[in-house]
Amino acid sequence: QLQLQQSGPRLVKPSETLSLTCTVSGGSIDSGGHYWGWIRQPPGKGLEWIGSISWTANTYYNSSLKSRVSISVDTSKTQFSLRLNSLTAADTAEYYCARHDSYFGVGGAFDVWAQGTMVTVSS
Amino acid sequence: QSALTQPASVSGSPGQSITISCTGTNSDVGKYNLVSWYQHHPGTAPKLIILEGSKRPSGVSSRFSGSKSGNTASLAISGLQTEDEADYYCSSYAGSSSLVFGGGTKLTVL
Repeated sequence: QLQLQQSGPRLVKPSETLSLTCTVSGGSIDSGGHYWGWIRQPPGKGLEWIGSISWTANTYYNSSLKSRVSISVDTSKTQFSLRLNSLTAADTAEYYCARHDSYFGVGGAFDVWAQGTMVTVSS
Repeated sequence: QSALTQPASVSGSPGQSITISCTGTNSDVGKYNLVSWYQHHPGTAPKLIILEGSKRPSGVSSRFSGSKSGNTASLAISGLQTEDEADYYCSSYAGSSSLVFGGGTKLTVL
């Protein structure tokens, strides 16, 4: 059964860069036509799509974050990663990685989710 | 990409049925049959309950159903149970390889 496990810091300073990694186990990251995404939820607010990456490393970002975000994939390690720079308090959120189901790329539903990482941006 | 519009809260009694709406535009919900619904209990990972507007993943109760009319998608839950109390989010493909979520709806089972 496919599982996703996130890793990364829980506290980051303003203006610094957040780096989170999502490790895929129980399946392959580069087969099946799946895309892989990052979603966040600020405290008391709704879910926000950050961006996604295909198994061929094509990237797609939320236009509101595009200037600050980068997603990459390392198929040898079955991992994909998020980098978000120039952090402010507004980036404080629960961050999730997830898998899009097949066939519809970024339009595919997120059918497998990691447990999430609460990231606080504070000095 | 503007967030899809959902009611902030809905409520119902055990055994009743409720509907949660998700309103977008003719560039997202109205244009594509790619609306998903997620159930989110705080402190856990969101769970996919409806994909492609009306399809249920394996293992999801038939009490959950999805539909769409124009620019509005809807999630219906029949036979409410206490464990259905959660936050519910819709999402839709919005074209140009982008995705948008709704603001979320808190379901209270009275």
